Formats: sequence, structure tokens, C-alpha cells
Amino acid sequence: ETGVTQTPRHLVMGMTNKKSLKCEQHLGHNAMYWYKQSAKKPLELMFVYNFKEQTENNSVPSRFSPECPNSSHLFLHLHTLQPEDSALYLCASSQVTGNGQETQYFGPGTRLLVL
Amino acid sequence: QKEVEQNSGPLSVPEGAIASLNCTYSDRGSQSFFWYRQYSGKSPELIMFIYSNGDKEDGRFTAQLNKASQYVSLLIRDSQPSDSATYLCAVRRNQGGKLIFGQGTELSVKP
Repeated sequence: ETGVTQTPRHLVMGMTNKKSLKCEQHLGHNAMYWYKQSAKKPLELMFVYNFKEQTENNSVPSRFSPECPNSSHLFLHLHTLQPEDSALYLCASSQVTGNGQETQYFGPGTRLLVL
Repeated sequence: QKEVEQNSGPLSVPEGAIASLNCTYSDRGSQSFFWYRQYSGKSPELIMFIYSNGDKEDGRFTAQLNKASQYVSLLIRDSQPSDSATYLCAVRRNQGGKLIFGQGTELSVKP
């Protein structure tokens, strides 16, 4: 596989469920990201991991819990979500070089519906 | 004021015309600028990036950056119906900084 992959592609869950989103990058990058994209709103950065270390938590509610076991894999654990959490969740990766010119490549996203 | 601002559109142009997409940003210290294209139901894909004032051309696409005016644009020449998508502008302040996205401009190219 190439690029950035995400599973599942679609997910429907109840508010009491626990589920996890998975992201894997095959680009040899050292940074990974979770974004949320809601209708008619800009992409919202949720979490950033550089070299497996979380470097940014953008005031995300604790019902979203990220995990980065290595530089190629990123998870987003979900529990007791709300209907307003329904959105497209995008994973991205980049190679941080230190000159600010790295570009991010996105996975196909997980379309989440919370009932 | 939004950090990155784009006209949500839709912007409608006839096939073969030049489509001009605009983006303004509020942080004067921004250093890196990106344009992504997002088809309906798909994820964003990188089209171009630009770091220096002036124009940067890649095929039918030209990115223009004017840091003094805090303005970055994307021109699409010879627009095709397949260019119909939402175009996202993204800005980064400095190395290691996060990307800030605009809400996107919907482009529709009519045959």
C-alpha cells in the first residue's frame, strides 16, 4: 500500500459505544496528525505527533484519545461521543525537516456518524 | 477576524476560462502557503505550495503570493469540468507550526 491509509472508511456508533480509528502512513514520515472536518467549516486540527510524541492537543474533549505507538501508526480512540461529533476525520502525515516547508498528505478519511 | 479567509463560493466559470481563487490571512508572520483540492466526499490533495513572494507555475496552475498584502491566490488556466471541487488554502506560520486552513472555495466549471 502507498500513501496514507485509514480504517474504517465509514463508522456509525451510538453515544455509549467505544470505537477506534486507525491510520497508517507508508511514506516514511516522522509526523502524523488528526483533523476533524465538519460541513461548511474549516479543517480543525485535533492532535499532532512528532516522532511519536504528542506535540499539540488543540483543546480536544477527552472523549477523543489519540495513540501513536510508532511513527507509522496513529489511532483515535472514541468513547461516549455526542451527535455533534459526527464528521469526517482525516489523518495526515508529513516529514518535518525544520525549515517549515514540509507538506502534509492526507488519508481518505473516516466518515463518522454518532446516533 | 478569521485567521485564513476564503470566499466560500460557489465560483462558477465556463470551461476553458481562467478560475481565480483568493485567500487572505491575518498573521503577518506566516511563512508557508499551500493549496489543496478536495473533491466531494474525498480527502484533500495537495496541488501547490509557495514560500516566496511572486508567482509559481505548475502546469495549468499558478500560485501567487503577496506577503505585504497578506494575500495568496490560485489561478487555474483552461479550466476543465474535472477541476470542479473545493479548494482549500492553508497557511503555516513557521517551522513546526500547525497548518491553518480556510473554509474552502467551491469551484464549478461548466461545460
